[in-house]
Amino acid sequence: DVKVTQSSRYLVKRTGEKVFLECVQDMDHENMFWYRQDPGLGLRLIYFSYDVKMKEKGDIPEGYSVSREKKERFSLILESASTNQTSMYLCASSSSVVETQYFGPGTRLLVL
Amino acid sequence: DAKTTQPPSMDCAEGRAANLPCNHSTISGNEYVYWYRQIHSQGPQYIIHGLKNNETNEMASLIITEDRKSSTLILPHATLRDTAVYYCIVRALNFGNEKLTFGTGTRLTIIP
Repeated sequence: DVKVTQSSRYLVKRTGEKVFLECVQDMDHENMFWYRQDPGLGLRLIYFSYDVKMKEKGDIPEGYSVSREKKERFSLILESASTNQTSMYLCASSSSVVETQYFGPGTRLLVL
Repeated sequence: DAKTTQPPSMDCAEGRAANLPCNHSTISGNEYVYWYRQIHSQGPQYIIHGLKNNETNEMASLIITEDRKSSTLILPHATLRDTAVYYCIVRALNFGNEKLTFGTGTRLTIIP
């Protein structure tokens, strides 16, 4: 079974804080993705990575950065958290960018 | 990606088969039908996908009509843990089409 884990299920941060969300997959997948999910807006792609140290912007990269130093780990960084970044953050991985994506449990982030 | 239409909600008695329909009348020849589900406050879970043949795995069966304009996801013996929002997606597996886009889905409630 594919296993994608995320570092926290729930997180509360203050405006202006730097926030790190970690994602780890154990299936040796090449590709990893970060989405956010908001009511009424559905799933939106923030960034994805198709290889170590490689990254591609998704639809809403502003205010976010990512890091992929190891194949199994993909980090999402909020440089200076803002209240409009309160959301459910979902990490996914796949064996290639065009294959089935498997999701982690999600991190529900609240920025106060 | 082509759009899909699903009923907003359905009920099913525990132990019965749950049949979830999806219309995708503008599907292209190279687009697959994917199903995911999302249990409240959790990450989406991959269920099954297919191109034109019917598919079955340990979770569900996928029936695709011959003209591929609609499909049905079948959960053969629904349990209370199958209560979730079910998303039908059509997706071409080619580069440049990395992101997943969920519609509003069908909220399936399993009744004891």
